[in-house]
Amino acid sequence: EAGVAQSPRYKIIEKRQSVAFWCNPISGHATLYWYQQILGQGPKLLIQFQNNGVVDDSQLPKDRFSAERLKGVDSTLKIQPAKLEDSAVYLCASSSAGTSRNAGQFFGPGTRLTVL
Amino acid sequence: GENVEQHPSTLSVQEGDSAVIKCTYSDSASNYFPWYKQELGKRPQLIIDIRSNVGEKKDQRIAVTLNKTAKHFSLHITETQPEDSAVYFCASGGYQKVTFGIGTKLQVIP
Repeated sequence: EAGVAQSPRYKIIEKRQSVAFWCNPISGHATLYWYQQILGQGPKLLIQFQNNGVVDDSQLPKDRFSAERLKGVDSTLKIQPAKLEDSAVYLCASSSAGTSRNAGQFFGPGTRLTVL
Repeated sequence: GENVEQHPSTLSVQEGDSAVIKCTYSDSASNYFPWYKQELGKRPQLIIDIRSNVGEKKDQRIAVTLNKTAKHFSLHITETQPEDSAVYFCASGGYQKVTFGIGTKLQVIP
């Protein structure tokens, strides 16, 4: 089966600019996650969708980050304006997990963001 | 929220030896404990998971044990090989959501 797709793979921007990332999950996976992974650390959950609804966005810096998952499939994550500390790899993952079912997550290749 | 502690942060073993990585969690309601392997510059990949109704699970050279009373779980890799070198993340959670540990960098020395 096709894996999780993300684009772009790399992005370099200056601080205060805006940037957007795109994710296409594995077909049929209802749950979609966006993580931020800073070098040397574990993935930190930013936002989680179940279909097109938000399940958890408690760690999303809402003053600058936004995300949407229209139609419950593809998702976009936006940062506006970017700060130096946003430099990280942004990972998208999807899962067949549901409200009463555990399942592992499948990760995309990530987008490496560098903010100068 | 859930807090996951993982140790050691780095681990070096000789090829052929065993490696053990340990994690503790805080939320007694957690019922799902996956482990991910992340090679340098690549995405995390699920290597094994265990649910709270099971105490141990094995898949070839890797095994995971869970002690719900003590709220800790461990990853065991036997007969380590150079290709096992990577960062390993434990995670803990319930349905849908998991919290990741900080990772263990495993180096297998040929």
